[in-house]
Amino acid sequence: ILNVEQSPQSLHVQEGDSTNFTCSFPSSNFYALHWYRWETAKSPEALFVMTLNGDEKKKGRISATLNTKEGYSYLYIKGSQPEDSATYLCAWSGGGADGLTFGKGTHLIIQP
Amino acid sequence: EPEVTQTPSHQVTQMGQEVILRCVPISNHLYFYWYRQILGQKVEFLVSFYNNEISEKSEIFDDQFSVERPDGSNFTLKIRSTKLEDSAMYFCASSQGTSGGTWETQYFGPGTRLLVL
Repeated sequence: ILNVEQSPQSLHVQEGDSTNFTCSFPSSNFYALHWYRWETAKSPEALFVMTLNGDEKKKGRISATLNTKEGYSYLYIKGSQPEDSATYLCAWSGGGADGLTFGKGTHLIIQP
Repeated sequence: EPEVTQTPSHQVTQMGQEVILRCVPISNHLYFYWYRQILGQKVEFLVSFYNNEISEKSEIFDDQFSVERPDGSNFTLKIRSTKLEDSAMYFCASSQGTSGGTWETQYFGPGTRLLVL
C-alpha cells in the first residue's frame, strides 16, 4: 500500500507570516510529485509537478522543494495572504502508473 | 484559460439506481481520469482512459463502474447500481498525453458531489 502523508493536517497562520508544510512519499519507483491548491467548491488548481531530486519550483509567493532520496517535499508560502487559505494537496506518481496517489491535504487558514 | 467542466455539480439518488456523471475535458487533451473523495478521506484514483479504452483502473473500479467517451468532447462515468458507500465527490481530470499520464499535470474539474440514499 502506497502511503503519502501530509503534515500538519491543518494550520492557522497570521496574515503576513510565512509558512511551510510537508509531504512524505515512497522514494522507490518515484516518477513525479504534484502539488495542488484546492478551495472549496472550486477545481483543485495545479501548482507544481516535480520530477528530479533537488528540484525547486516557484510560482509567485509559493515555492516547493523535492527530495526523492528521502521521500519528502516542502511547500513554502511567503508573506501569507487571506487568499492563500485553501487545502494544499500533494500527490505521488510512480511505478509507471497513470493514477496519482494523494495525501490527505494540509488545510491552511490565514487569519487577518 | 481552458478548464475541465463537470455536470451536475450535485446529484442525489436512491440506492440501486444508475447514475451517469459527465465531464468535458480540456479539448486537446488525450488522457482522461476519474477520481473520487469520500468525505474525510483521501482523493482516490478510479480509472484512466486513453485512445478510447481504459488504460488503468484501481481496485475500486469494479464491474459496477464503466467509462465512455460517447463523442468528441464528453467523458462519462456510469455507476450501474449505486450503493450507500458510493457517496463521494467525483472528480474528472485530463492531461495532454504527450508523455503518458505520469509526469504530466493532471487538470481537475470542480467535481460532482454524489449522495446515495
